[in-house]
Amino acid sequence: EAGVAQSPRYKIIEKRQSVAFWCNPISGHATLYWYQQILGQGPKLLIQFQNNGVVDDSQLPKDRFSAERLKGVDSTLKIQPAKLEDSAVYLCASSFVGQRTDTQYFGPGTRLTVL
Amino acid sequence: GDSVTQMEGPVTLSEEAFLTINCTYTATGYPSLFWYVQYPGEGLQLLLKATKADDKGSNKGFEATYRKETTSFHLEKGSVQVSDSAVYFCALLSGGSNYKLTFGKGTLLTVNP
Repeated sequence: EAGVAQSPRYKIIEKRQSVAFWCNPISGHATLYWYQQILGQGPKLLIQFQNNGVVDDSQLPKDRFSAERLKGVDSTLKIQPAKLEDSAVYLCASSFVGQRTDTQYFGPGTRLTVL
Repeated sequence: GDSVTQMEGPVTLSEEAFLTINCTYTATGYPSLFWYVQYPGEGLQLLLKATKADDKGSNKGFEATYRKETTSFHLEKGSVQVSDSAVYFCALLSGGSNYKLTFGKGTLLTVNP
């Protein structure tokens, strides 16, 4: 079974530029998550989708971050404009239905460096 | 709100030593508990999980028991190997947090030959 795919793996941009990350979840998984992992910390949820609807985006900085999940499959996370403090690894995860006993499977992540 | 507190690192052990990484939690309701591992340059991988009190999760020689009375989920391994060197994250999943994972800060383990 194929895992969660993410691209690109690495991205370096200047501050105030824009960047987009792509995620393809495990086939059949209804729930998709984007996490931000700053160096030395545990991942923090940015946004959670159930199919193509948003369940939780309470920690997404909506003035600069946006995300969509078209047709309930692939998802894109965008940052515009980027700030220095956005330097982090962006992790995508998916799970079958998003319930208490579910396991979330993570992709390899995209390491973003903002200069 | 939900929170996870895990042992500060880094932890450095010799091969074949016994490992314990402490993890305690605060959560609404009855959470599921997880240990994830992150090897250098890789994404997070599920190591083990437990979904109810007194459950023991186990995988690759690692074990952790869900202790509701002490709100703990300590990770143990009887004999570590160099290949176990990684960052270990304790996490919980509860309805009170909309089924999002709440992670601890991670513990870096280095095993020397």
